[in-house]
Amino acid sequence: DQQVKQNSPSLSVQEGRISILNCDYTNSMFDYFLWYKKYPAEGPTFLISISSIKDKNEDGRFTVFLNKSAKHLSLHIVPSQPGDSAVYFCAASAKTGNQFYFGTGTSLTVIP
Amino acid sequence: DARVTQTPRDKVTEMGQEVTMRCQPILGHNTVFWYRQTMMQGLELLAYFRNRAPLDDSGMPKDRFSAEMPDATLATLKIQPSEPRDSAVYFCASGSRDRGVLGYGYTFGSGTRLTVV
Repeated sequence: DQQVKQNSPSLSVQEGRISILNCDYTNSMFDYFLWYKKYPAEGPTFLISISSIKDKNEDGRFTVFLNKSAKHLSLHIVPSQPGDSAVYFCAASAKTGNQFYFGTGTSLTVIP
Repeated sequence: DARVTQTPRDKVTEMGQEVTMRCQPILGHNTVFWYRQTMMQGLELLAYFRNRAPLDDSGMPKDRFSAEMPDATLATLKIQPSEPRDSAVYFCASGSRDRGVLGYGYTFGSGTRLTVV
């Protein structure tokens, strides 16, 4: 059973606009969340993280929002650039756990 | 930059053959993971090791898959016999249990694309 869900397999956005990628989780013990970015023929690379003690974390054009009550997080990319076109994976971990659980990914296409 | 090295990059094999995938984790990382990427399941954990000891391999079909770490610089994932449904990209990742490093997640290798015909 998927504990981390990304319900949108794909998303297309115009260059310069905002991209919003969503992620839902079911395990209330999860307290640390990551976003990974994956280009074709490469492994996923770490993008941004957020701890459950925060509801927002920002790094340049990337911002992650966490809504603990809704068990939902989102990644905002502003402004979107063609180089952002990739698959984005959401991942979650519990403090007592040993691993991250990954979603199925959302393929983002930024149209020039 | 430190990196996780996986070999081979691509493997095409016939059904029934043995397949061995190799991974060299980042020096100093004490946790090694094997993931399989499929369209339906995303990144699916197969097994992981800490300090070379297997901690969890519940995601792995035990009758045909085996994972080992003969030493700290090498992790292997073996499939015997291989089947067409094993076709996927297999990723190795390494990290450290210290939360400060695990907080940045794992470092993934580039993957082995396996095709079983």
